Amino acid sequence: DQQVKQNSPSLSVQEGRISILNCDYTNSMFDYFLWYKKYPAEGPTFLISISSIKDKNEDGRFTVFLNKSAKHLSLHIVPSQPGDSAVYFCAASAWGSSNTGKLIFGQGTTLQVKP
Amino acid sequence: DGGITQSPKYLFRKEGQNVTLSCEQNLNHDAMYWYRQDPGQGLRLIYYSQIVNDFQKGDIAEGYSVSREKKESFPLTVTSAQKNPTAFYLCASSMGGYNQETQYFGPGTRLLVL
Repeated sequence: DQQVKQNSPSLSVQEGRISILNCDYTNSMFDYFLWYKKYPAEGPTFLISISSIKDKNEDGRFTVFLNKSAKHLSLHIVPSQPGDSAVYFCAASAWGSSNTGKLIFGQGTTLQVKP
Repeated sequence: DGGITQSPKYLFRKEGQNVTLSCEQNLNHDAMYWYRQDPGQGLRLIYYSQIVNDFQKGDIAEGYSVSREKKESFPLTVTSAQKNPTAFYLCASSMGGYNQETQYFGPGTRLLVL
């Protein structure tokens, strides 16, 4: 059973426009969520995170929104740049219940930003 | 420069052979993790260690073994019991403060079966 789902395998946007990547989860015990960016044959790079006590976190061009009632989070990139083209993974952990930091990852969404 | 290093970048395994993947970090992190990525899939947790001399199985530990004798090092052995070892292996670490931490990843090792 996939506890974290990224239902869109790919997304294509024009440079300068907004990119919106979505992620759904099923486990209500998740209390910390992260987004990672990954290039082929490299390790994931941490982008931004959000705790379940918040509904929004912003860092430069990246904003993560959390809707706990819908068990949904999204990553907004504004404005999108060609260098943002990569695979984006959302991940979740349940610190309050497990105290281990185990991350559960979605399948990833490939973002292509066209010049 | 602080970071996580993994070696080798590529590793070839023959049938029936055990191979060991190296992971070293100089971030002074207590917790370390091993993940596996298969094509078109997310990362899955193999083993993790929250402190030296202690480690726990993740979701897909069968066919793998680890050790944590030093804080800086968390090697992963892929044994002959792992029937489908071809994958991209990623090591990560975090501070280990037991409270909503971020994990940071190494560059990965690609394991191929000959």
